[in-house]
Amino acid sequence: QITLKESGPTLVKPTQTLTLTCTFSGFSLSTSGVGVGWIRQPPGKDLEWLALIYWDDEKRYSPSLKSRLTITKDTSKNQVVLSVTNVDPVDTATYYCVHAFQHWGQGTLVTVSS
Amino acid sequence: EIVMTQSPATLSVSPGERATFSCRASQSVSSNLAWYQQRPGQAPRLLIYGASTRATGFPARFSGSGSGTEFTLTISSLQSEDFAVYYCQQYDNWPYTFGQGTKLEIK
Repeated sequence: QITLKESGPTLVKPTQTLTLTCTFSGFSLSTSGVGVGWIRQPPGKDLEWLALIYWDDEKRYSPSLKSRLTITKDTSKNQVVLSVTNVDPVDTATYYCVHAFQHWGQGTLVTVSS
Repeated sequence: EIVMTQSPATLSVSPGERATFSCRASQSVSSNLAWYQQRPGQAPRLLIYGASTRATGFPARFSGSGSGTEFTLTISSLQSEDFAVYYCQQYDNWPYTFGQGTKLEIK
């Protein structure tokens, strides 16, 4: 059974760095072809892909956010970490980690506010 | 970036009737198109991938079709649990992009 769970702060101040962790089970990020991504959804708004990381450490970033995003993996811990620098209230959203489009975490709501 | 456009924004249909959703891509995405169902307060669920293959757990009343730039999701006979928001997403080119969603509401 594949599960993913996001963790991190629920409240972040503007200009700070947001760090989110996705802890997963049921698959390995050292297996060829495997990837884990991050998607966010502002309240009442649309879904947006942020970043993807693959088993071979290939990384993809949303072009509009690339300068502010960093995605890393820790294969031994079954974790993927997403960092978002210089956050703004527009970054307020539910952040999901996703595997193979089919497996989603429950999401974590992050509010950016002073 | 490929822009995905869904129509209509809201679809009002009675239980037992058919619902048809449209999704258009700004350039060809071949068959690299997925549909998701999202209920309030929940994460999206993969419904269709490869434009027409049903994901695990969804009954045969859900079907997808299309290729290139025009795609359709059809629910043949609506059940109460089907009322939700439906999103299309292309995964032909990075960044993967979603449509703005179609809200299916009870008429």
